[in-house]
Order: sequence, then C-alpha cells, then structure tokens
Amino acid sequence: LAKTTQPISMDSYEGQEVNITCSHNNIATNDYITWYQQFPSQGPRFIIQGYKTKVTNEVASLFIPADRKSSTLSLPRVSLSDTAVYYCLVGDDSSASKIIFGSGTRLSIRP
Amino acid sequence: NAGVTQTPKFQVLKTGQSMTLQCAQDMNHNSMYWYRQDPGMGLRLIYYSASEGTTDKGEVPNGYNVSRLNKREFSLRLESAAPSQTSVYFCASSDRRAADQPQHFGDGTRLSIL
Repeated sequence: LAKTTQPISMDSYEGQEVNITCSHNNIATNDYITWYQQFPSQGPRFIIQGYKTKVTNEVASLFIPADRKSSTLSLPRVSLSDTAVYYCLVGDDSSASKIIFGSGTRLSIRP
Repeated sequence: NAGVTQTPKFQVLKTGQSMTLQCAQDMNHNSMYWYRQDPGMGLRLIYYSASEGTTDKGEVPNGYNVSRLNKREFSLRLESAAPSQTSVYFCASSDRRAADQPQHFGDGTRLSIL
C-alpha cells in the first residue's frame, strides 16, 4: 500500500479556497486516491475519490496530475464548519487489510 | 437514515475486565471494519470482515477478538482489558472489502481502562 505524506496542519480564513496536497510517490497502477474528513468526536466521513485528472462533487474537487504521485484536495470558499482533520488514503481493491489513515492534516478556519 | 450504529458511546473499565463493543449497519454492506484512534493520531485497523462469516486481522489485532454475527452486525471483544487499550473505537462498513471503497463510519465508542 502506497505511503502518503500530508502537512500536519494548515490555517485559513472564511471565504478562502483551501488546497491540501498529499504526496504518494509509490502509488501503484490500480490504486485509487480517497479523502476523508473527520470532525472532533465523530467518525471520518468520505469526501471524494479519484483515479486521475480532476473529480468534482458538491463538497470538493480533487486534482491528480498525470504522474499521480500527488493529489490536491480543494475546498472552495471554506467556512468555520470546515475546521476538521483531512485524511488522504491510497489503495486498490486488494489491500483492505493494510488500510492506513496516517495522522492527517488538521485544518483550522478562522473568521 | 441510521447508517452505522455503535454501542455503547462511552465505557469505563477496570484492568482485566471484559467488554464487547457492538456495531450494526443498515446499508446492506458486505464488509465491516473495526479501528482504534488514539489521541492526536490517525485510525489503525484492528480487524475487518470482508463478508458474512469471514474475519481477518488488521494492523493491531492483539488483545481483541471479533465476531461477524450476521451481515448487519460486527462485534469487537476485549477479553482482558489493559490500560493500553484506552482509545476511541470506530466501526465502519463498505460495499466491498477494498481500500478503494468508501467506508461509512459510526460515531465511535470512547473506552477508558483504569
């Protein structure tokens, strides 16, 4: 399972666009990239998943360059309620036993 | 719209006591998972069940046992609790056993071992 590296923490302000980058240099051909969000005292919540190029849903966008060695989660016009820990995971359909969440990125949004 | 339900939400045990954490999902998912999360850390996989009737070890299985009672329910048992098992325990489910399948999580059981 490819190891991922994320910034430990990030700060931003309400109304700004926030981009969180995840490095996964050893990503395998069949691996997907998945992002989760976790609020205090809650379980993680699936945000978005992608394989290549760009994926967008009602919550976020995920940008994946051609070499797939990194990915960027983009949160448009953040609000205070986006303060959370964000986890990047990489894996395929054969690696459920080795799912590793890592420490994630602690995002703090200020007024 | 319950999703994944965990009981209890909080529990305090003494060292050496036993305890079973319960988890149930109503999404007809095939796969279920148990994680633990220590303060300031990410989640670590304890056990998972790819489908009804099967269970497999994850990253940190020592000191725990699991039972996949039926498709809906997956329980985690601590036979002899130790202070090192103080943690928040999360149950999750997904349609298939795979790292590329989005997992749906419960809100956790906060367990303290004295």
